[in-house]
Amino acid sequence: KQEVTQIPAALSVPEGENLVLNCSFTDSAIYNLQWFRQDPGKGLTSLLLIQSSQREQTSGRLNASLDKSSGRSTLYIAASQPGDSATYLCAVRWEGTYKYIFGTGTRLKVLA
Amino acid sequence: DTGVSQDPRHKITKRGQNVTFRCDPISEHNRLYWYRQTLGQGPEFLTYFQNEAQLEKSRLLSDRFSAERPKGSFSTLEIQRTEQGDSAMYLCASSSVGGANVLTFGAGSRLTVL
Repeated sequence: KQEVTQIPAALSVPEGENLVLNCSFTDSAIYNLQWFRQDPGKGLTSLLLIQSSQREQTSGRLNASLDKSSGRSTLYIAASQPGDSATYLCAVRWEGTYKYIFGTGTRLKVLA
Repeated sequence: DTGVSQDPRHKITKRGQNVTFRCDPISEHNRLYWYRQTLGQGPEFLTYFQNEAQLEKSRLLSDRFSAERPKGSFSTLEIQRTEQGDSAMYLCASSSVGGANVLTFGAGSRLTVL
């Protein structure tokens, strides 16, 4: 069964800290993987997309890496800010399917 | 282009009533997804359209749920004989074929079944 797991479920850090969010998935035959941000009561905003042939993608203070063989992706946030407080979701699309399966997310709180 | 639009934003209904949600994707996007999200959970896949063709559908969808995209533009999601367990946020997302497949989500339609 294809599943996506995100640990920890919640994380609280002081402002300025660098942090890593984890995403693990079963079955390494993925097509691509996306990281999203969701603010309370709102829709999702795409942060980074990594194709199966790529190892990492960067956007500003965000860096996402992909290790298919181990079934893992990480989202690195540098110099965290209170405005980064949100739920971060990982979604995986496997080969042979169009759908994305989401993890349950990591709820991040950055303290000023 | 104002992004993905969903209507209504909030819907309160009584158990047993039918409800319909509408999604207007970004105009040049031919891929359209419907998801359902409950509190504290990640979005759960419901169905996928490429243009007007419904190419993938979750087995979680019962015969009370139906979705259409008649002209390959906007889409509707109808829930018949609503149950309290249908209370959730219904999210629509779109993307373009041939691109990186980055999903753009709407703000969602929140359903409350009393």
